[in-house]
Amino acid sequence: GAGVSQTPSNKVTEKGKYVELRCDPISGHTALYWYRQSLGQGPEFLIYFQGTGAADDSGLPNDRFFAVRPEGSVSTLKIQRTERGDSAVYLCASSLGLAGGEEQFFGPGTRLTVL
Amino acid sequence: KNEVEQSPQNLTAQEGEFITINCSYSVGISALHWLQQHPGGGIVSLFMLSSGKKKHGRLIATINIQEKHSSLHITASHPRDSAVYICAKGSGGGADGLTFGKGTHLIIQP
Repeated sequence: GAGVSQTPSNKVTEKGKYVELRCDPISGHTALYWYRQSLGQGPEFLIYFQGTGAADDSGLPNDRFFAVRPEGSVSTLKIQRTERGDSAVYLCASSLGLAGGEEQFFGPGTRLTVL
Repeated sequence: KNEVEQSPQNLTAQEGEFITINCSYSVGISALHWLQQHPGGGIVSLFMLSSGKKKHGRLIATINIQEKHSSLHITASHPRDSAVYICAKGSGGGADGLTFGKGTHLIIQP
């Protein structure tokens, strides 16, 4: 079956612009996660959805970052007034959502470059 | 101090060598994950374990809960094993966003 997909694969934008990154999880997975990976670093947690609600958004760095999952499947990560420091690979993952400690399935990521 | 520490950061070995990558974590976990990331590629889950040992092909993962330590072993290493190996912990409870180590960059030379 299809895995986690993310679009676009690459996004180049200018400082101050608004961007949206999309994640399509595996069908039937109720849990969805966003992570950010800067060059040479491990990923860092941003936000976790269980169904339509954000169960944990403690990793969002500031109020310029926002994510939604209105129908419990596709999620969009939104970044306002982008800054050069936002440049990173944004990773999405999904899991069944039945319990803690589940295997997570990762998408290929969106590489965001802010000029 | 990162909650998940990996060692070594970089490892270069010859084909056929036995490889060990170590991971220590500072607080309790729901599960410990080992992941593989190829250059320019996505992340693939290798193992998820909360106790004992798991084996898949030439890969073995162990965990010692009391010592808060896990190891990933690769037997009969091959150049195609060259990748970044990342240890990550689930925090437990209902929310399970992972906390990642910085990764170990492994190069297996033919």
